[in-house]
Amino acid sequence: GNSVTQMEGPVTLSEEAFLTINCTYTATGYPSLFWYVQYPGEGLQLLLKATKADDKGSNKGFEATYRKETTSFHLEKGSVQVSDSAVYFCALSGNNFNKFYFGSGTKLNVKP
Amino acid sequence: SAVISQKPSRDICQRGTSLTIQCQVDSQVTMMFWYRQQPGQSLTLIATANQGSEATYESGFVIDKFPISRPNLTFSTLTVSNMSPEDSSIYLCSVAERQGLYEQYFGPGTRLTVT
Repeated sequence: GNSVTQMEGPVTLSEEAFLTINCTYTATGYPSLFWYVQYPGEGLQLLLKATKADDKGSNKGFEATYRKETTSFHLEKGSVQVSDSAVYFCALSGNNFNKFYFGSGTKLNVKP
Repeated sequence: SAVISQKPSRDICQRGTSLTIQCQVDSQVTMMFWYRQQPGQSLTLIATANQGSEATYESGFVIDKFPISRPNLTFSTLTVSNMSPEDSSIYLCSVAERQGLYEQYFGPGTRLTVT
């Protein structure tokens, strides 16, 4: 079946530090992969996506590369800001595109 | 991308009562979904709201507890019936749009506390 595993949080970093949030997946077929961000008190926002192996999704300084050989889609940012403090969810959609599978979420705290 | 609004944004309800949550989309969409997010947890899909027919529920969720309406392509409601404290969660409406591939967009959520 389809599933997503994320590193547990919370992750606490100082401003301008490098961020990596690990995400691995299990899927049948060729899934599409997503990162969503949830700021305090808000719904989820699509951050970036990738549809096939070796695709790199990027947005707002965040990047993630679809690695089929390691079934991973790790989220990275070179220099985090306090405003990046949020919960980050990795997700996949399988061959049945209307069904999404979400990871458990990783809370990021960035301190000034 | 679709813009989604939900009402109410939050509510505090008494045990045994019911609450209806509304989801309004600014464009016609085929697929609408309802999720539950318990405190500090990930999202759990409750059901797919189908326009003009009964919702499709995921394992562990039943129509008597979570009746859903979808009268048209821009609106849906989720009712949480006979509430207990275990129903305290954030309830999220989402829609799927095809932008090459399907993407899901979420409403701001309804934060429900049951006392």
